[in-house]
Amino acid sequence: GQQVQQSPASLVLQEGENAELQCNFSTSLNSMQWFYQRPGGSLVSLFYNPSGTKHSGRLTSTTVIKERRSSLHISSSQTTDSGTYLCALERPGTGSNRLTFGKGTKFSLIP
Amino acid sequence: EAAVTQSPRSKVAVTGGKVTLSCHQTNNHDYMYWYRQDTGHGLRLIHYSYVADSTEKGDIPDGYKASRPSQENFSLILELASLSQTAVYFCASRRLGGNYAEQFFGPGTRLTVL
Repeated sequence: GQQVQQSPASLVLQEGENAELQCNFSTSLNSMQWFYQRPGGSLVSLFYNPSGTKHSGRLTSTTVIKERRSSLHISSSQTTDSGTYLCALERPGTGSNRLTFGKGTKFSLIP
Repeated sequence: EAAVTQSPRSKVAVTGGKVTLSCHQTNNHDYMYWYRQDTGHGLRLIHYSYVADSTEKGDIPDGYKASRPSQENFSLILELASLSQTAVYFCASRRLGGNYAEQFFGPGTRLTVL
């Protein structure tokens, strides 16, 4: 089965609302890395979060290893937040620290 | 600021032709990776390398070769390009050692095989 599951697959909100994106994983984890993928395709690393909570401006990432989940919270969303958000699990013990990606959440804002 | 660059940024290739995608990093990182992304999906690992002159298979290596001639450069080679290899390809780098170190990604190469 899929090791990393992201939800929801798509999310449409009004500008100013808060968004919560989830990533659940079924395997052991070294860390979770969250990315924003621009409409043109390039990746922007948002967080590298092995555990606990991290903040960056309006973004908050929380990784709870015991519950096998990581979340990305966007507060007071803006139209510039539109795009695809990807989570990626860094697996331990693979000799490569490879990332296993979720399929992404497509996030759209209504002005 | 860490930097990973890729060339070309886009390419159109013919079925059966040879394609080489290049990646260059100035991070002084030991690990380098090649991932592919298909429309509507996350990225999947093709090949990786942790030292020059050595490469390792990732999760989907079939149909691809990799080359690491130096610490800074990592190439992905499609000897006989096929339609199914149409995708966006991303290169990434990471420092060796330590449990916690993020990967830095290049801008991607959009490959279309006709």
